[in-house]
Amino acid sequence: SAVISQKPSRDICQRGTSLTIQCQVDSQVTMMFWYRQQPGQSLTLIATANQGSEATYESGFVIDKFPISRPNLTFSTLTVSNMSPEDSSIYLCSAPLWGTDTQYFGPGTRLTVL
Amino acid sequence: QKEVEQDPGPLSVPEGAIVSLNCTYSNSAFQYFMWYRQYSRKGPELLMYTYSSGNKEDGRFTAQVDKSSKYISLFIRDSQPSDSATYLCAMSAMTSYDKVIFGPGTSLSVIP
Repeated sequence: SAVISQKPSRDICQRGTSLTIQCQVDSQVTMMFWYRQQPGQSLTLIATANQGSEATYESGFVIDKFPISRPNLTFSTLTVSNMSPEDSSIYLCSAPLWGTDTQYFGPGTRLTVL
Repeated sequence: QKEVEQDPGPLSVPEGAIVSLNCTYSNSAFQYFMWYRQYSRKGPELLMYTYSSGNKEDGRFTAQVDKSSKYISLFIRDSQPSDSATYLCAMSAMTSYDKVIFGPGTSLSVIP
């Protein structure tokens, strides 16, 4: 079965810095999604990233804060910019894999901002 | 009112018990209903996926959808300690992966 991997798995960052999270899928996918899971809470969709077009952001999320790249059909990055402690969360990427209509998730990146 | 509400838990049951996990929702346009299991420090994994109303069974797991009541359930029979995890219901109007709304999750512990 296909695998979705993320780097880094965790990081501790200082306030005001930025972190780029990578998501790699081992098969080509059209759509990729980025979610945030704050401590003790469920998943909230940040944006949808389609290859060859600008990411579509959900209400409450903006490109300046969470720029996303989608350079090809197997890879995407999410940057968390100018971080504050409120950005401490698990960030997850996901994708529906080719030939399926179900969504698979990466293992997540656990971010702590001091 | 939140779009998707879920019994908060945490839920603790003895091994072998039947577990019932439930979600209610407010958006009548939802047609795709999923249950995800999330172990600690892992990403969610899809357990069950149902389109529209009805029941679906997969081994020890049964998913039920009642669109008239806007209520979905996941039943786990003969629960095992390995079932200890957080269970997230999720639903969507468009497809099973696009614009998916997740419930807050129920934490389940199965005690040996």
